[in-house]
Amino acid sequence: GAGVSQSPSNKVTEKGKDVELRCDPISGHTALYWYRQSLGQGLEFLIYFQGNSAPDKSGLPSDRFSAERTGGSVSTLTIQRTQQEDSAVYLCASSLVVHQNTEAFFGQGTRLTVV
Amino acid sequence: DQQVKQNSPSLSVQEGRISILNCDYTNSMFDYFLWYKKYPAEGPTFLISISSIKDKNEDGRFTVFLNKSAKHLSLHIVPSQPGDSAVYFCAANFGNEKLTFGTGTRLTIIP
Repeated sequence: GAGVSQSPSNKVTEKGKDVELRCDPISGHTALYWYRQSLGQGLEFLIYFQGNSAPDKSGLPSDRFSAERTGGSVSTLTIQRTQQEDSAVYLCASSLVVHQNTEAFFGQGTRLTVV
Repeated sequence: DQQVKQNSPSLSVQEGRISILNCDYTNSMFDYFLWYKKYPAEGPTFLISISSIKDKNEDGRFTVFLNKSAKHLSLHIVPSQPGDSAVYFCAANFGNEKLTFGTGTRLTIIP
């Protein structure tokens, strides 16, 4: 596809369960971001992958959160032992970075509800 | 440490008038600035950007102004239309560092 694709679009899970969220970035984009937006809040940065550099994990809220990007393409965000405060829309974005960053393109997001 | 700030959480503007959204930043390393628009239940979409070598960039009804000395940028929408009602985020970065977003301003255009 031409855009950033995220799956699933909606996920309802029970408290304490693990979830995996998937992001397929735009082909050829070297940078990939995960953000989340809780109800009524702004965009909260989670993690940033850029090429072969070590990811910037400074936004991950706890060690229950992890993400990987395999082969420089698809990324998976994993949340272990989910809590109700993890309920949010999780947004993935990708951008083409050569010498400088350019605009990032966002997916539609995954709405996670922890019950 | 909020490096990109949007101090107005909401703004209401009459249809046909000018909407002005503001953004301040603290990191003097930032050299690339962007505005995104977000509708409910959708991901943000890129609107317009500006490099620090410019002080103005225009695209149709949208103009972004950059004041480097004041570390301030603004987005002007004229004339405002009902479809412009959305949340607007400004963002900034430098080099290949990650984009840093503001907290957003909800714009409501009143018909």
